[in-house]
Amino acid sequence: SQQGEEDPQALSIQEGENATMNCSYKTSINNLQWYRQNSGRGLVHLILIRSNEREKHSGRLRVTLDTSKKSSSLLITASRAADTASYFCATAAQGGSEKLVFGKGTKLTVNP
Amino acid sequence: DTAVSQTPKYLVTQMGNDKSIKCEQNLGHDTMYWYKQDSKKFLKIMFSYNNKELIINETVPNRFSPKSPDKAHLNLHINSLELGDSAVYFCASSQGGAYTEAFFGQGTRLTVV
Repeated sequence: SQQGEEDPQALSIQEGENATMNCSYKTSINNLQWYRQNSGRGLVHLILIRSNEREKHSGRLRVTLDTSKKSSSLLITASRAADTASYFCATAAQGGSEKLVFGKGTKLTVNP
Repeated sequence: DTAVSQTPKYLVTQMGNDKSIKCEQNLGHDTMYWYKQDSKKFLKIMFSYNNKELIINETVPNRFSPKSPDKAHLNLHINSLELGDSAVYFCASSQGGAYTEAFFGQGTRLTVV
């Protein structure tokens, strides 16, 4: 299975601190995506990084990808209480797969 | 305007009943999906359609039948509901399959009693 595995499963930090979440996967990928899910809501796309990219930024988000280690990390800088949510990585396999395979998610709590 | 909308948001029903969940997207995307999220938040793909054609059918009981009348709509019909079907079902769409971002609906929380 190419399913991603996020680490840690849960993370609790104070506002203003940085939050780092990791994702590992098993097979070669075309891209890796990060999504956020607020409680009781649908998933919202955050960032997509392609297999030939190593780092990508979007606002306070920084994503890295290491295809040799089959891992990615999501860094949220200067966290806010509104960042409290579950974060999922999802991978698209190389070679024509039409599906995204999601990991189990990291539940982030940012305390005011 | 809501990009991907699904109805109903909540569905409580008895075992053995048949129910449908509807999904519509106004983004002009070619690909639509159904995902199931269990109580542990694990999200698993069930079906994927591209231009009304079924392209992914994961190991899902045949009590679940998707229908895509046009590329903007993907409905999910479930026959003979079981307790284990209780979950949150998400519809999603994308332009370019898994190689681009997916847009998700707000989910339908199905509770089978």
